[in-house]
Amino acid sequence: SQTIHQWPATLVQPVGSPLSLECTVEGTSNPNLYWYRQAAGRGLQLLFYSVGIGQISSEVPQNLSASRPQDRQFILSSKKLLLSDSGFYLCAWSMGQGDYEQYFGPGTRLTVT
Amino acid sequence: RKEVEQDPGPFNVPEGATVAFNCTYSNSASQSFFWYRQDCRKEPKLLMSVYSSGNEDGRFTAQLNRASQYISLLIRDSKLSDSATYLCVVIPGDSSYKLIFGSGTRLLVRP
Repeated sequence: SQTIHQWPATLVQPVGSPLSLECTVEGTSNPNLYWYRQAAGRGLQLLFYSVGIGQISSEVPQNLSASRPQDRQFILSSKKLLLSDSGFYLCAWSMGQGDYEQYFGPGTRLTVT
Repeated sequence: RKEVEQDPGPFNVPEGATVAFNCTYSNSASQSFFWYRQDCRKEPKLLMSVYSSGNEDGRFTAQLNRASQYISLLIRDSKLSDSATYLCVVIPGDSSYKLIFGSGTRLLVRP
């Protein structure tokens, strides 16, 4: 069966510091991968998605970036965090062949101070 | 107008009650619809997919009304463990990758 991992689970970072969040999927190959952010009391916002290694699409302009160095690895980064970057960051995967259901990892709760 | 709108609740119901949530969507070309459940401070988990005229899974029934552009979720015989936030999710017709999430409806089931 497929599993999705994210780390770290929680993170407290000062404004202006860099960020790197990692997501890995097991038990499937060539998945579509996604990064979402959920601000407190708000809905999920799609940040990036990837349909293959090195292929990244950005949904919202911001100071975040994403990379997919391996088939089942998805990384979310920032060079300088803003207070507004605080939130619950969720990685998700779906099968690539028209199966639209997405499955989420446990998330990283980021607080920027 | 938001792309996906839900009543935020909370819906506070006794155990054993039947409760229904509605969700409206703005893009008439939307093709795929889902209900996710999210527990406090946890990730959303897929509850049901709603692909055609609706479907049933145990105590849960999802209905789709394309003409009125709304989706409903009915929960029968509510359990304490059903307490959570229920997210309505829509895939716009022009993208198979982008899920649009509603802000969720909170359900509290009391003893």
